Amino acid sequence: GAVVSQHPSWVICKSGTSVKIECRSLDFQATTMFWYRQFPKQSLMLMATSNEGSKATYEQGVEKDKFLINHASLTLSTLTVTSAHPEDSSFYICSAGGLAGNGEQFFGPGTRLTVL
Amino acid sequence: GNSVTQMEGPVTLSEEAFLTINCTYTATGYPSLFWYVQYPGEGLQLLLKATKADDKGSNKGFEATYRKETTSFHLEKGSVQVSDSAVYFCALSDLAAGNKLTFGGGTRVLVKP
Repeated sequence: GAVVSQHPSWVICKSGTSVKIECRSLDFQATTMFWYRQFPKQSLMLMATSNEGSKATYEQGVEKDKFLINHASLTLSTLTVTSAHPEDSSFYICSAGGLAGNGEQFFGPGTRLTVL
Repeated sequence: GNSVTQMEGPVTLSEEAFLTINCTYTATGYPSLFWYVQYPGEGLQLLLKATKADDKGSNKGFEATYRKETTSFHLEKGSVQVSDSAVYFCALSDLAAGNKLTFGGGTRVLVKP
């Protein structure tokens, strides 16, 4: 149980285009989802916390207009990177939490974004 | 604020060697502690967890004990395999911080046959 999927697993896009990444909880309802960014050989950086039916809460320094997050249902959250630039190239990972009440999160497999 | 510090890698071991990865934390409340493992090109998988002091988490031969007195959660495995090569992240979750996960920097482990 507690499986989280992400789509696509990798994407290459041209500079200036927008890219949408989907995060789905397959066998449970996730009231809270998290989006992380990971640079090569580094730890995960929390970008935002997404609660179903409400606006996402962004971490300091994360541009909310550039990284649009929508959590329209209990099983789906999306991250849209708008007007992507090469510096947005990264590994984006989502997670779902709140099941066990102890802060445990279940992670998706990640999406590698390359902006040319 | 909360923070997690873990030993820097890479850690290179021979198969069947003993593995220890140190992890210490700072938290304002009473956190839950986790070890996650990340294989190349993949997301994170929960390896083990402990939710209160003196709890021992264990899975796949890995163990870690929640030590409140030393604010530590060191990961150990008695005999590593090549398949244990991965990056290991220590993390804490604190209800007072909205149950956000705070990660350590990660430790890369390479096990050679």
